[in-house]
This record gives sequence, C-alpha cells and structure tokens, in this order.
Amino acid sequence: DIQMTQSPSSLSASVGDRVTITCRASQSISSYLNWYQQKPGKAPKLLIYAASSLQSGVPSRFSGSGSGTDFTLTISSLQPEDFATYYCQQSYSTPSITFGQGTRLEIK
Amino acid sequence: EVQLVESGGGLVQPGGSLRLSCAASGFTFSSYEMNWVRQAPGKGLEWVSYISSSGSTIYYADSVKGRFTISRDNAKNSLYLQMNSLRAEDTAVYYCAREVGATTAQYYFDYWGQGTLVTVSS
Repeated sequence: DIQMTQSPSSLSASVGDRVTITCRASQSISSYLNWYQQKPGKAPKLLIYAASSLQSGVPSRFSGSGSGTDFTLTISSLQPEDFATYYCQQSYSTPSITFGQGTRLEIK
Repeated sequence: EVQLVESGGGLVQPGGSLRLSCAASGFTFSSYEMNWVRQAPGKGLEWVSYISSSGSTIYYADSVKGRFTISRDNAKNSLYLQMNSLRAEDTAVYYCAREVGATTAQYYFDYWGQGTLVTVSS
C-alpha cells in the first residue's frame, strides 16, 4: 500500500495567516493527489483534486501544488471558517486509495 | 442538489451483523462509481469498499475482505454495505461517497453523505 504522511499533524495559526500543509507519498503518485477539509461532526469536503485543481465552489485562497511524492496545500489568508482538519488522499492506486493521517488546524 | 443519506448504523455485539444503506438523489446514480469510507472515533479516514456504476466490479480493503459485502440497486438509487462478523475495531462512522474520474483517471470523492455511526460492543 502507498503510505501518505502529512506534516505537521497539528498547527496553530491566526486569522489572516498564510498556512502550508505538506503531504508526502511513500512512492511516486504523479499528480493523483486530492485534499479534503473536515469540520467536527461533518463529512469531509473536497477542496483540491489532481494536486492543483480547485473544486467548484471552493474559495480561491485554497491552492495545491506538487507532483511525484511531495505535495502542499496552501491557504493564502486564513479565515475563521478554515479551522478544521485537512486530509490528503492518493488515488494512484485506485480503488485502494489511502489517506494521510490528517492535519488539525487550530486557532492561535 | 446532490444528496447522499446513510442509514442503518447502531449498536451491535461483536460477531453480529448490520446492513448500511445510502440513498442517493439529485444525480444519475447509475452513472457513478460509489465507495464506503469509515472513520473510527477521533481517527483518520479509511477507505472500505468500492463498487462500479453497474455493480460488476467490486473491491474491498484487506481489513474487511470476507466480512463485508458492498452492493447497489440502481433502480432504487441505493448503495448498501452488509457487514458480518463485526469486530470492535469496526466501530466507526461510515460514509458513502460518490467517485468521479472514470473519464480522466483522476479519481476523487466529490460528494459524501453525513455518515452513520456503527458501534461494535458487548
């Protein structure tokens, strides 16, 4: 199985900050990488697919980059509603997809 | 509006069975691959099972293979997960998720249900 490792596991930031979350794959996955946001008690929500494509309706302050084994999710200016847990997911080995362990973004 | 609504969760004893359902609306259900993804309390996301749009192709995570059965009824716009021989480690919120990407090979889950909680405990 392809292992996905996110860093950091948790992060404290303030409204207006620029935040970057990293996801590393245990082998090359080309651009088969997606990002989800999950708020407590809610289902995950798709933010970014194919490493850098913004899902319809997602604010443009979210962006994704990377290919191969290293990927990043960037929030350009944190808003109060962005405090949540973020997961990366590889679809290279679909249907046996795997998720990262999550990054919890908290208010400083 | 796309909607996925899970049901069927609850408390079950170890070794017991449970059948989850996912009712789909707002899209042509028969055109989409579907998945089940679960999340143990306080933990991350784990893919459980996949079924193709026609139901002819099915895959399972190793952790549930031989115990869980995914199926769908396109006439009823419904997805199912039959869970047998349940274990404490199967305790989780179970989400159904619509998969997109068959035409581009860039697969992702664009819509998720609200989840249904399965608790396996004596």
